[in-house]
Amino acid sequence: DVKVTQSSRYLVKRTGEKVFLECVQDMDHENMFWYRQDPGLGLRLIYFSYDVKMKEKGDIPEGYSVSREKKERFSLILESASTNQTSMYLCASSTPRQRAYTFGSGTRLTVV
Amino acid sequence: AQSVTQLGSHVSVSEGALVLLRCNYSSSVPPYLFWYVQYPNQGLQLLLKYTSAATLVKGINGFEAEFKKSETSFHLTKPSAHMSDAAEYFCAVSGGYNFNKFYFGSGTKLNVKP
Repeated sequence: DVKVTQSSRYLVKRTGEKVFLECVQDMDHENMFWYRQDPGLGLRLIYFSYDVKMKEKGDIPEGYSVSREKKERFSLILESASTNQTSMYLCASSTPRQRAYTFGSGTRLTVV
Repeated sequence: AQSVTQLGSHVSVSEGALVLLRCNYSSSVPPYLFWYVQYPNQGLQLLLKYTSAATLVKGINGFEAEFKKSETSFHLTKPSAHMSDAAEYFCAVSGGYNFNKFYFGSGTKLNVKP
């Protein structure tokens, strides 16, 4: 089974810090995604990538950037963390043949 | 454009009772539809998916869902709830030029009473 690994389960950061959330998948998937999950709002797409060095904005990209230097790794960057970015962040990967996402376990980020 | 509406943010059933979680979708093209389950402090796990084959889709843990085009619905059911089914369930749709981009509903938390 494909595995999607998010480097941290819980993070606490201070307002204004630059924050890196890392995601690695081990099945050579082309597509990778970052979502944030908030109560009552479901999952909202932040950024996604179809290939190395390619990225596209999702529905809520403001305050975030991403990096995909290698196929297996997709990083989410909070340039200057704010309290309204306190959330659960979920990474997912997929391949066109599969037509389903595989999710990581999530990173619960608290910005104080 | 695609979107999903899940009716009922919280559903409570007794153990052994029927589980029915509602999902309606909007899509301008033939959709792919999915149900995911999330247990506390975990990521999302695929329960089942509809990809234009049989309209009745069977998934893991005894769940199934029926695609009804005329009603634009994809409701999730299980004949007999088990305590271990308590979790949050998300319906998702993809389609259009980009089948890899999913749109999720806001989720339904299922509570199972003993």
